[in-house]
Amino acid sequence: GAGVSQSPSNKVTEKGKDVELRCDPISGHTALYWYRQSLGQGLEFLIYFQGNSAPDKSGLPSDRFSAERTGGSVSTLTIQRTQQEDSAVYLCASSLDSGSSYNEQFFGPGTRLTVL
Amino acid sequence: KNQVEQSPQSLIILEGKNCTLQCNYTVSPFSNLRWYKQDTGRGPVSLTIMTFSENTKSNGRYTATLDADTKQSSLHITASQLSDSASYICVVSARDTGRRALTFGSGTRLQVQP
Repeated sequence: GAGVSQSPSNKVTEKGKDVELRCDPISGHTALYWYRQSLGQGLEFLIYFQGNSAPDKSGLPSDRFSAERTGGSVSTLTIQRTQQEDSAVYLCASSLDSGSSYNEQFFGPGTRLTVL
Repeated sequence: KNQVEQSPQSLIILEGKNCTLQCNYTVSPFSNLRWYKQDTGRGPVSLTIMTFSENTKSNGRYTATLDADTKQSSLHITASQLSDSASYICVVSARDTGRRALTFGSGTRLQVQP
């Protein structure tokens, strides 16, 4: 596809349930980033991948959050035992690689997660 | 600690008017600065990138400035349109790799009214 895609676009779940969010990066982009954006707040870094490896997981807020990337392409962000404070928009971005600070990150439309 | 601060937090202007958004940063060693536009319900889209040696760069009605000495940048919007209503995010990159390179501002929410 032409851009970064994410699915689902909206997800409503009950507290305590697990959710999986998917990101399809731009073809050929080796770096992939996950961010969280709470209502009216700035972007909060969660994790990034260079290829299938995640050199920096320090942004994950708790051990309920995990992410994986397979085949250097699709990534899934999993939140276990969701809590109401997990409600936010989860944005994914990709770039050519993470080795240059000039590489633009292209963002997907986000997944709006609501935990009831 | 690397930080990016934006002002104002929100702004309301009338269609056709100009406005200027501010970004102050403490990121070292500095590499570049981007302004992103984020429409409601969409991901951010890059408007412009500025490197250390650039003072001004334009993209249509958007003009960004950079003063690397005072570590300030501004985004000037000329003859605003309703479609300019969005959040504008300042992102500063350090000469580093990976996610550590980027520091995000919290954004300025602009509303253009008819």
